[in-house]
Amino acid sequence: KQEVTQIPAALSVPEGENLVLNCSFTDSAIYNLQWFRQDPGKGLTSLLLIQSSQREQTSGRLNASLDKSSGRSTLYIAASQPGDSATYLCAVRGSGGSNYKLTFGKGTLLTVNP
Amino acid sequence: SAVISQKPSRDICQRGTSLTIQCQVDSQVTMMFWYRQQPGQSLTLIATANQGSEATYESGFVIDKFPISRPNLTFSTLTVSNMSPEDSSIYLCSVVGGAITEAFFGQGTRLTVV
Repeated sequence: KQEVTQIPAALSVPEGENLVLNCSFTDSAIYNLQWFRQDPGKGLTSLLLIQSSQREQTSGRLNASLDKSSGRSTLYIAASQPGDSATYLCAVRGSGGSNYKLTFGKGTLLTVNP
Repeated sequence: SAVISQKPSRDICQRGTSLTIQCQVDSQVTMMFWYRQQPGQSLTLIATANQGSEATYESGFVIDKFPISRPNLTFSTLTVSNMSPEDSSIYLCSVVGGAITEAFFGQGTRLTVV
């Protein structure tokens, strides 16, 4: 059974700092990995999707990397802003017959202080 | 990308009653997914809804408690039946878009049972 772990559970940084969020998964047989942002009490916004054959994806100040063999992904946020404050969720999609299912981590609660 | 409209956005319900949550997508999709996010927890898949067939439920979720309808390729409903305070959660609708299977989510329904 796939398990996804996100470290740290919470992070508080001053505005302007670069930061890294970590995600690890136990089964390396994944189809893809997706990073989401969730604002309090709201739905999920897709940030980046990395296919299993890719090493990284970039969107603006965000960069996500994937090391499938070691079961790890990182989300790098450059020059953080107060508007980046949210919970960041990592999810992996299994390969094979269960490739429509997403397994989520518990998330990292990020607070960026002005 | 897909745009998902979910209604209601939030509700406070009496125990023993039922609530039906609606999910409308702006494009035709084969599979729609319903997730639950309990307070402080990550997302858990409740069921997968295919048009024209019975929904497929995950372990721990049953049709009598969470009946699902999927009348066409752009719409689905999830009913939370005979509610108890333990059903207080955020319920989210999701679809998968395109060949790269990127997941998109609605804004969620925040349910409080009193």
